Amino acid sequence: EVQVVESGGGLVKPGGSLRLSCTASGFTFSVYSMIWVRQAPGTALEWVSSISSSSNYIYYADSVKGRFTISRDNARNSVYLQLSSLRVEDTAIYFCARDPARLSSGSHVPYYFDYWGRGAPVIVSS
Amino acid sequence: DIQMTQSPSSLSASIGDRVTITCRASQTMTKYLNWYQQKPGKAPKLLIYAASNLQSGVPSRFSGSESGTDFTLTIGSLQPEDFATYYCQQTYSIPITFGQGTRLEIK
Repeated sequence: EVQVVESGGGLVKPGGSLRLSCTASGFTFSVYSMIWVRQAPGTALEWVSSISSSSNYIYYADSVKGRFTISRDNARNSVYLQLSSLRVEDTAIYFCARDPARLSSGSHVPYYFDYWGRGAPVIVSS
Repeated sequence: DIQMTQSPSSLSASIGDRVTITCRASQTMTKYLNWYQQKPGKAPKLLIYAASNLQSGVPSRFSGSESGTDFTLTIGSLQPEDFATYYCQQTYSIPITFGQGTRLEIK
């Protein structure tokens, strides 16, 4: 059974940092891209970042570029999201999900997100 | 960026109704359009990928189609468990973008 579990959420002050972790099981982690999507209270889903299976292709939304860093450790079946310079508007549930990815012009790009975790809440408040 | 505009934003329907939700892309894109269902307090669930492919385990009353820049999710005969919020998502280009959601409520 495929499982994806996020951890590391919490309350942090504006300007602070936090690291989210996502651990997966039930599939060969090292051949899949992984992604982060967030959802602020009462709003739509927002894609945050994606990382390819071997970390060669990394993408970020403009809203987090330069502040968030995605990484993965295939030996630990884990993907991470380092959140820095946090703002009140970063408050959201952060979901991790699996992405089979596809090839486009020789690059691995996102395709669809088929297994999701339950999410980790991040609250940025003074 | 490709903007995805969903319509309607909310919809009331009855058990057994046929329901259609539309997502319009702001520019030409081919088939890389996915549909998700989300219930309150839960993670999104993939229903349809690449415009018309039914995800494994999803009931066959769900279907997707594409016509130009318009993409459609159809639920053939509403069941009680289908009342939820539905999102479209394009993965044709970076940044990945979602529609604003369609809330499907019981009439």
